[in-house]
This record gives sequence, C-alpha cells and structure tokens, in this order.
Amino acid sequence: TQLLEQSPQFLSIQEGENLTVYCNSSSVFSSLQWYRQEPGEGPVLLVTVVTGGEVKKLKRLTFQFGDARKDSSLHITAAQPGDTGLYLCAGDGQNFVFGPGTRLSVLP
Amino acid sequence: NAGVMQNPRHLVRRRGQEARLRCSPMKGHSHVYWYRQLPEEGLKFMVYLQKENIIDESGMPKERFSAEFPKEGPSILRIQQVVRGDSAAYFCASSPRSGSISYEQYFGPGTRLTVT
Repeated sequence: TQLLEQSPQFLSIQEGENLTVYCNSSSVFSSLQWYRQEPGEGPVLLVTVVTGGEVKKLKRLTFQFGDARKDSSLHITAAQPGDTGLYLCAGDGQNFVFGPGTRLSVLP
Repeated sequence: NAGVMQNPRHLVRRRGQEARLRCSPMKGHSHVYWYRQLPEEGLKFMVYLQKENIIDESGMPKERFSAEFPKEGPSILRIQQVVRGDSAAYFCASSPRSGSISYEQYFGPGTRLTVT
C-alpha cells in the first residue's frame, strides 16, 4: 500500500513569514496534487505536478516535485491569514492516496 | 460549468435509521469517489465508481455501507442502520479520467452526517 506522510502536522506562524510543508513517500507516483481545505468545505485543488523536478508557482505558492517523484514540497512566501487551512497532498500511483495533511494557521 | 454538488449539506439521523447521501459530478465527469473525514483528520478513501460500475470499494466497510452510480442521476452513498461512529463529513469528488496518466479530483462541499 502506498502511503503519503506530511510534515509538519501543525504549523502556526505570523503574517508575513515564509514556510515550507512537505509530502513524502517511499513510493513513486505518476503525479501529485496539492489541495487546500478550509473548515466546513471540501478540498480545493491547487496544483498538479507530473515531472520529476518540476516546479510550479501559483502567486505566493511554490510547488516542487522531487526528482524521483517520491516527494513534494509547498513553499509559501509572505503568508497571509487567508492562507490558513488544511493542506493535503495526494498521489496518483497504484492507487490514489491522500496524506493526512498539514494544518496551517497564519496569525494577523 | 457547475462544480460537484452534494446534498444534503447536513443530515441528522437517529441510530438505526438509514442515511442517503447524493453526489452529482461535474459535467463531463464519469468517475466518482467517496471519502470520509473525521474531525481534525485527513480524508479516508471509501469507494471509486464509474457509471454503473464499482471500480474499487476497498475502503468501504463490508456491512451497512453501499454505493452506486447509475447511468442516469447522481451517485448515492447509502448507510443502513447508522451508528454514532458513522458521524463524519462525507465528501464526493469527480474526475474526468480522460485517459491521461495524471488525473485530478474535484471535490464537492460535503455532507455532514450527525447520528444522534
């Protein structure tokens, strides 16, 4: 069974700080997606990365897929309170699996 | 293009009753996934369906739970004889699964089931 781990589990930072969250596995994935989920809502797709080493930017968010396609990172620059939420990674391999998420809180 | 729709958004059932959760996928999507999420936890895969077919139900409890995605109409997740432990948020996602290796899932707003 392919598993995804995410770290840290919880992260609380001040507005304006930078942060990086990680998604790791011992398995190779064809692609990996990042989602953000706000309280009371369903997850919203942020990005899909497909190629090993790929970097994608979405405004202040930078996503990277590891060269071996086993891990990914999400970097947020100058975090804002609106970035608060649960960040989930999901991998498309033998099955489609979700990580447990990183719960981010950005304080004003 | 409307997103994934789920109804009801909130459902309260007494122990022993049946719960029916409905999911209408995005237009053009023929693949539906159901997930369960407990408070402060991640998403747990339950079942993956294509029109009129169950593709993968490895995450579905063997008893009391069933799912269908008929040729016409929404996908239905059915929970019979609900128990308090069934209280959770149930999310549906749809995907075009157009044949490319990489596919993405689009989620509905969820149904929050409370069993009293």
